[in-house]
Amino acid sequence: ETGVTQSPTHLIKTRGQQVTLRCSSQSGHNTVSWYQQALGQGPQFIFQYYREEENGRGNFPPRFSGLQFPNYSSELNVNALELDDSALYLCASSYSGGITDTQYFGPGTRLTVL
Amino acid sequence: DQQVKQNSPSLSVQEGRISILNCDYTNSMFDYFLWYKKYPAEGPTFLISISSIKDKNEDGRFTVFLNKSAKHLSLHIVPSQPGDSAVYFCAAIEWNTGNQFYFGTGTSLTVIP
Repeated sequence: ETGVTQSPTHLIKTRGQQVTLRCSSQSGHNTVSWYQQALGQGPQFIFQYYREEENGRGNFPPRFSGLQFPNYSSELNVNALELDDSALYLCASSYSGGITDTQYFGPGTRLTVL
Repeated sequence: DQQVKQNSPSLSVQEGRISILNCDYTNSMFDYFLWYKKYPAEGPTFLISISSIKDKNEDGRFTVFLNKSAKHLSLHIVPSQPGDSAVYFCAAIEWNTGNQFYFGTGTSLTVIP
């Protein structure tokens, strides 16, 4: 059983640019959730995808978007980057997304916006 | 608005003693609670959970207590071991919403050998 992986590990962008972060879920996991963890804060729910469809969204603007692919990989896209988007971005996969389903987190991508 | 709060950013405990990590929440609709442990450069890993119909759940050295009237939960680690040194996050969710977990800000536990 492979774990959840994320790429890249670190990324530096400038304000106004666009970024794509990638996540590879555990095989067989149909659900992926994305979280933003700002410095000194806990993870904040961005959105969840289940079988390639968005299945819930937190309090994030539409410039945060995602995709999930049939091969258990997914992407988080952020357009028009702002300084406050600097954070650790975590993805987590689970089998069905039920609340008692264990979520397996990746190590995160550290995004710095200058 | 922070719906889940961990008011102690850090805690130090001697090896072999009890570690008690606390978490408070404001949303009375939360009915499932979890604790995660996070080592540096790794993602959080699930530790233990409790549903609102219980007031205690135990798994080996880890016990979670839930006080619904006080909107408070705690994680007890007995005995504490140096390998328990990590950041601990509590999280909560409403059963009906299905997918939005709310996390606290974390408590960094250091177990001193």
